[in-house]
Amino acid sequence: GAVVSQHPSRVICKSGTSVKIECRSLDFQATTMFWYRQFPKKSLMLMATSNEGSKATYEQGVEKDKFLINHASLTLSTLTVTSAHPEDSSFYICSARARTGSYNEQFFGPGTRLTVL
Amino acid sequence: AQSVTQLGSHVSVSEGALVLLRCNYSSSVPPYLFWYVQYPNQGLQLLLKYTSAATLVKGINGFEAEFKKSETSFHLTKPSAHMSDAAEYFCAVLDFGNEKLTFGTGTRLTIIP
Repeated sequence: GAVVSQHPSRVICKSGTSVKIECRSLDFQATTMFWYRQFPKKSLMLMATSNEGSKATYEQGVEKDKFLINHASLTLSTLTVTSAHPEDSSFYICSARARTGSYNEQFFGPGTRLTVL
Repeated sequence: AQSVTQLGSHVSVSEGALVLLRCNYSSSVPPYLFWYVQYPNQGLQLLLKYTSAATLVKGINGFEAEFKKSETSFHLTKPSAHMSDAAEYFCAVLDFGNEKLTFGTGTRLTIIP
């Protein structure tokens, strides 16, 4: 149980185009999902918290107009990188929150490698 | 604010030797602590977690960690390293207020044949 998928796993796009990444909780409902960004050989940095049916909450320094997040259902959150540029190239990982015991655990997706040419 | 510090960005051990990855935490409240493993180009897999129950926590793949409040530590160990243990390991602490995870900088484990 508690499986999270991401699509696509890899994407290459031209500079200036937009890319959408999907995060799905396959066997549970998630009112909250998180989006992380990981630079090469670096740790995960939280970008935003995605709440079903409401606006996402962005971390300080993350451009909300560049990284659009939509959480339209209890099993799907999407991250759209708008007008992508080479510096947006990174590994993007989502997680979905589910109650396990005494706290809400995060279950992570397999990640999406974005390369902007 | 809560934080974790991982000492040693790279650790190399011989196959069959003891694995010790260090994590120290800073928290004003009793923390919930986690160890995750990441293989190349993959997401995070939970190895084990401490949620204020037993201080010695056993996880998957033969790993375990001990919560030591006096040392503010949560080091990850495995008695005998296997080649398949080569990966990146992250320690993390949970913020109860906003339920966000804060990750350490990671330790890359290399296994020497």
